[in-house]
Amino acid sequence: EAGVAQSPRYKIIEKRQSVAFWCNPISGHATLYWYQQILGQGPKLLIQFQNNGVVDDSQLPKDRFSAERLKGVDSTLKIQPAKLEDSAVYLCASSFSGAGGAGELFFGEGSRLTVL
Amino acid sequence: AQSVAQPEDQVNVAEGNPLTVKCTYSVSGNPYLFWYVQYPNRGLQFLLKYITGDNLVKGSYGFEAEFNKSQTSFHLKKPSALVSDSALYFCAVRDKSSSASKIIFGSGTRLSIRP
Repeated sequence: EAGVAQSPRYKIIEKRQSVAFWCNPISGHATLYWYQQILGQGPKLLIQFQNNGVVDDSQLPKDRFSAERLKGVDSTLKIQPAKLEDSAVYLCASSFSGAGGAGELFFGEGSRLTVL
Repeated sequence: AQSVAQPEDQVNVAEGNPLTVKCTYSVSGNPYLFWYVQYPNRGLQFLLKYITGDNLVKGSYGFEAEFNKSQTSFHLKKPSALVSDSALYFCAVRDKSSSASKIIFGSGTRLSIRP
């Protein structure tokens, strides 16, 4: 079974530029998550989708971050314009169970963003 | 609000000795509890979870964790550490009482096993 796919693995941009990350979850997983992991910290949830609907985006900085999951499968996370403090690893995860369920998350290998 | 704490930034253990990585949590209802491991430049890998029932949960790579409701703890344990266990470990919690609750992660504990 294929795992969670993410691209690109690494991205370096100047501040105020834009960047987009892509995620393809495990087939059949209804719930998709984007986490931000700053060096030395635990992952912080940015947004959670159930199929193509948003369940929680309370910690997404909506003035610069956006995410979509139009067909309920793959997802894109965009940052525009980027700030220095956005330097982090962006982790995508999926789960078979619905929002609030007991299912564990399956993570991709992450997209490391460096903002100069 | 739910939260999870990992009080130790780093744990150092000699190979062959038992190891414990501590985790305490706070939720308004009952918890789902998880442990994940992260190797360098990789995503998180699931180790084990507590849903209900037996307080001792067994997981991958010989790890186990004990749920203690009175102490609101879910410590990760292994009877005999291996050098290959060296990695970053994260505890996570989700509140059962809310259908839209988030999975919240702790700040992580770096486990270092010396030969």
